[in-house]
Amino acid sequence: GAGVSQTPSNKVTEKGKYVELRCDPISGHTALYWYRQSLGQGPEFLIYFQGTGAADDSGLPNDRFFAVRPEGSVSTLKIQRTERGDSAVYLCASSMGQGRSEQFFGPGTRLTVL
Amino acid sequence: QKEVEQNSGPLSVPEGAIASLNCTYSDRGSQSFFWYRQYSGKSPELIMFIYSNGDKEDGRFTAQLNKASQYVSLLIRDSQPSDSATYLCAVNSGGYNKLIFGAGTRLAVHP
Repeated sequence: GAGVSQTPSNKVTEKGKYVELRCDPISGHTALYWYRQSLGQGPEFLIYFQGTGAADDSGLPNDRFFAVRPEGSVSTLKIQRTERGDSAVYLCASSMGQGRSEQFFGPGTRLTVL
Repeated sequence: QKEVEQNSGPLSVPEGAIASLNCTYSDRGSQSFFWYRQYSGKSPELIMFIYSNGDKEDGRFTAQLNKASQYVSLLIRDSQPSDSATYLCAVNSGGYNKLIFGAGTRLAVHP
C-alpha cells in the first residue's frame, strides 16, 4: 500500500547542468501529474500523463523541460541547462483515472540550482 | 485575476473553535474541488473533495460548494493545534484532471 514515491528527495546542481527527477506512482494509478511549488505559492501544473502518453503538457515552462512515462508507470522529469529560476520543489501526483480525479502527492524533490 | 483565490492568512483560531477557510475560482466549467493540507516542509495531503453543490462532511471537516457563486469553503470543527498548517484549495481546469491551486491559507490553532 505504498504511496507515491519520488527520488531524489533533494538535488543540488549547478547552473547549466542536466537533472532527472523520478516519480513512482501508486500501483494501479493510470494518471500521473507533475507540479512544481515555489515558496509561499500553491503547486503549479506542469504535465499530465494518462497511461504512457502526455495528455496535457501545457504547463511546461519551456523546451528545457521534458517528461516521459515509457511503460505507463514510472515517470521521469528531465530538465536541461538548468537555471537558478528552476529551483523549487517538484511534486508528482497520481490518480486512478477512469473518472476518479482525486490526486495523491508524493513527498517531492527539492531542486536547488546554484 | 488569479484563477483560484484564497486569503493568505494567517487565520488564528483558539483550540476547540471552528475554522472557516474560503476559496473562490474563476472557471465556471470547473467540476471538481479539493482541499489539501500542507505542513511546513511537507507535500500536500488530500483531506476533502467535493463535486456537487451543497455540503459534504467527513469527521471534523465539512466542505461546502456553491457553483453559482463560484465559491468553495472548508470548515474545521473542534480545531486542534495539530490542524495548524497551510490549506490549499484546488480546482480542476479545462475538463481534464489538471488542478489549479490557490496560494493557500495559513491556519494557526492556539491552545
